[in-house]
Amino acid sequence: DTGVSQNPRHKITKRGQNVTFRCDPISEHNRLYWYRQTLGQGPEFLTYFQNEAQLEKSRLLSDRFSAERPKGSFSTLEIQRTEQGDSAMYLCASSWGATSRGDEQFFGPGTRLTVL
Amino acid sequence: AQTVTQSQPEMSVQEAETVTLSCTYDTSENNYYLFWYKQPPSRQMILVIRQEAYKQQNATENRFSVNFQKAAKSFSLKISDSQLGDTAMYFCAFIVIKAAGNKLTFGGGTRVLVKP
Repeated sequence: DTGVSQNPRHKITKRGQNVTFRCDPISEHNRLYWYRQTLGQGPEFLTYFQNEAQLEKSRLLSDRFSAERPKGSFSTLEIQRTEQGDSAMYLCASSWGATSRGDEQFFGPGTRLTVL
Repeated sequence: AQTVTQSQPEMSVQEAETVTLSCTYDTSENNYYLFWYKQPPSRQMILVIRQEAYKQQNATENRFSVNFQKAAKSFSLKISDSQLGDTAMYFCAFIVIKAAGNKLTFGGGTRVLVKP
């Protein structure tokens, strides 16, 4: 399967702990996005990478959140000192920037975070 | 600010019947695409159909078609001959095409239940 993969699929943690999620995009894609989806809502943009450069961050990405994409391949999203309000599905998407197709983004299955 | 509104939280339809989901959006940009994404229960989001804003012709993909009214900023999805596998959350989204960083803006979603 050459789609977008995310690990872990589920994470349960206690408030105040740090967590890290990983996203492996489709190999030819140079763009990688992170979104957050709370229960019953649509996804909201968090941040975007073109190759290894983080080019845009949402105001939703507080200083407790950090994302990296070393070498322009996989990406990690870390949340420090988790809070109950961080409980959500974290979605990763990738694209190759084909604007003629609306820069179609392919989504991974997500990581569901539950903060107790 | 760019927004997407889906006014129907939930819709049910009998198998083989037709259902129409509504979506309105707001943007001051001219170069954008509109999408409908499907998110089945516990499965990843997949693209159903896309529409280029500068094309007047409505997009069609098999049983899925859209009614794009640019002046009204309306973008509805029609699912014909509904099948049980169409049961899912449906999200309307749009993307403003820029040189870099094309983030998706999603609506809140419409849950579609296809009944046998």
